[in-house]
Amino acid sequence: GQQVMQIPQYQHVQEGEDFTTYCNSSTTLSNIQWYKQRPGGHPVFLIQLVKSGEVKKQKRLTFQFGEAKKNSSLHITATQTTDVGTYFCAGPLSGVELIFGQGTELSVKP
Amino acid sequence: NAGVTQTPKFRVLKTGQSMTLLCAQDMNHEYMYWYRQDPGMGLRLIHYSVGEGTTAKGEVPDGYNVSRLKKQNFLLGLESAAPSQTSVYFCASSYYGYTFGSGTRLTVV
Repeated sequence: GQQVMQIPQYQHVQEGEDFTTYCNSSTTLSNIQWYKQRPGGHPVFLIQLVKSGEVKKQKRLTFQFGEAKKNSSLHITATQTTDVGTYFCAGPLSGVELIFGQGTELSVKP
Repeated sequence: NAGVTQTPKFRVLKTGQSMTLLCAQDMNHEYMYWYRQDPGMGLRLIHYSVGEGTTAKGEVPDGYNVSRLKKQNFLLGLESAAPSQTSVYFCASSYYGYTFGSGTRLTVV
């Protein structure tokens, strides 16, 4: 079946360092979404990418959708302690339901 | 604007007991979902609904039933709880991007 894989599973960085998580799908996606889940919290929608090669920025966060629409990445510049949490990518299965990647857990050391 | 509200927040069940998890949204969304989250496995879709009176199976539906009698409510039922159903359950609704509830932490002993 369709799979969405994320790497790495964990990432530990020093505050101020950059961070990148990668998402790969076994099939072409119509769109890809990114979510952030703080420890003990619930996933919160960050952004949706639709177009091939699309790049979107939100302050220090840069999101990219691959040309083949099968991969995506999230890059955080100069991490802060407020960036701590698990970042999930998700793609639509056959309609409205999303398949989530396993997530990348980011920890930031002050 | 409350968004998506889940009740209860915590629950401990004995094996074989039944319970219903309640999800309510006030955003007039057509689509609603139930996911479970287990360590290292991300979020897995249990059931979903594309509108009042409709439900459909997701990736891991066994042992669960759902109902969507009103547009704003989506109920998840466990008829005979098993330890393998120990998990954190999230309800979500969507129009553009998912809005998640705060979750129900369920332990089956």
